[in-house]
Amino acid sequence: EVQLLESGGGLVQPGGSLRLSCAASGFTFSSYSMSWVRQGPGKGLKWVSGFSGSGGGTYYADSVKGRFTISRDNSKNTLYLQMNSLRADDTAVYYCAKGRGSWFEDSFDYWGQGTLVTVSS
Amino acid sequence: EIVLTQSPATLSLSPGERATLSCRASQSISSYLAWYQQKPGQAPRLLIYDASNRATGIPARFSGGGSGTDFILTISSLEPEDSAVYYCQQRSNWLTFGGGTKVEIK
Repeated sequence: EVQLLESGGGLVQPGGSLRLSCAASGFTFSSYSMSWVRQGPGKGLKWVSGFSGSGGGTYYADSVKGRFTISRDNSKNTLYLQMNSLRADDTAVYYCAKGRGSWFEDSFDYWGQGTLVTVSS
Repeated sequence: EIVLTQSPATLSLSPGERATLSCRASQSISSYLAWYQQKPGQAPRLLIYDASNRATGIPARFSGGGSGTDFILTISSLEPEDSAVYYCQQRSNWLTFGGGTKVEIK
């Protein structure tokens, strides 16, 4: 059974940093693309960042480029999102999502339960 | 950026009725479109990928169609548990989502 479990969310001041983690199980983690998708309060879904599988690259939405860094540790089956220079408009539930294949441009067949990030003073 | 426009914003129907949701892309995306269902407090669930392929475990009452710029999600006979927000997502050029259609069951 595929499982994705996010952690690391919380309250942070504007300009602060936070690191999200997503522990994966039930599939060959290294072979699949993984992404972070966020959802602001009462808003729709927005793709944030993706990491292609099988040794592929990293990709970012313009709104987070230069501030967020996605990484993965295939030995620990874990995806990360390092978020720096956080702003109020980064406030959202952040979901970890598994791609159906190895390329980052994909649909997402499994999602975590989400972790809430609140940026406020 | 490819913009996905979903309509209507809200759909209110009775159990057993047919629901038709639309997603229009700002440029051609071939068949690279997915549909998701999201219930309050839950993560999205993949319903349809590549325009017309049902994901694993999705009931047959959900079907998708279209190509190019115009896509449809059909729920053939609404069940009470289909009350949710439905999102489309394209993967032709980066990744974007539509704004969602809320389906209410009367």
